[in-house]
Amino acid sequence: SQKIEQNSEALNIQEGKTATLTCNYTNYSPAYLQWYRQDPGRGPVFLLLIRENEKEKRKERLKVTFDTTLKQSLFHITASQPADSATYLCALIPSNYGGSQGNLIFGKGTKLSVKP
Amino acid sequence: NAGVTQTPKFQVLKTGQSMTLQCAQDMNHNSMYWYRQDPGMGLRLIYYSASEGTTDKGEVPNGYNVSRLNKREFSLRLESAAPSQTSVYFCASSVKLRSGKTIYFGEGSWLTVV
Repeated sequence: SQKIEQNSEALNIQEGKTATLTCNYTNYSPAYLQWYRQDPGRGPVFLLLIRENEKEKRKERLKVTFDTTLKQSLFHITASQPADSATYLCALIPSNYGGSQGNLIFGKGTKLSVKP
Repeated sequence: NAGVTQTPKFQVLKTGQSMTLQCAQDMNHNSMYWYRQDPGMGLRLIYYSASEGTTDKGEVPNGYNVSRLNKREFSLRLESAAPSQTSVYFCASSVKLRSGKTIYFGEGSWLTVV
């Protein structure tokens, strides 16, 4: 069956360290993969998108990697801060979804807590 | 530019009652979506509309109906609410998602069915 999994429900790290979140998928061939941030009581907010032919994408302290052989994306936050505490969702668009546009598939999220 | 606006923010319904969640976007996006988010289940697509005048079922459409009133507005209706529909509902919009554009979410509607 098709799955997208974020291995950790929660991740606790110390301020200043690098947070690394994992997203694995099975039986999909994603055209691209996205990462979103969700704060409590709010809607998800887009952070980064990485295409299947890209290995790495950076935006300020954020870095995303995409390994189509391992079927895995890693999301890194360097020099983490307490303000980075939130739930992070990965999502993918299968490249073989046929004619539909609607099926952005989300992982369940990893709740990151950055302690001062 | 408000982005995606949903109403109401909070609602309590009795089993069997009906209600409509309203959603509007001011970004001139073609595609709109309704998701529900439940603890341990993540975000699941209920219905989507690829363009004005079209709607399609997502992963969990049972018990819901939608209307794409115009390009801006996409409503979600619960005809006979059930406790299993207690959830947080998110409306979203995007432009040509396949090309790599991103989804923009509303702030959510918290629905409790008792």
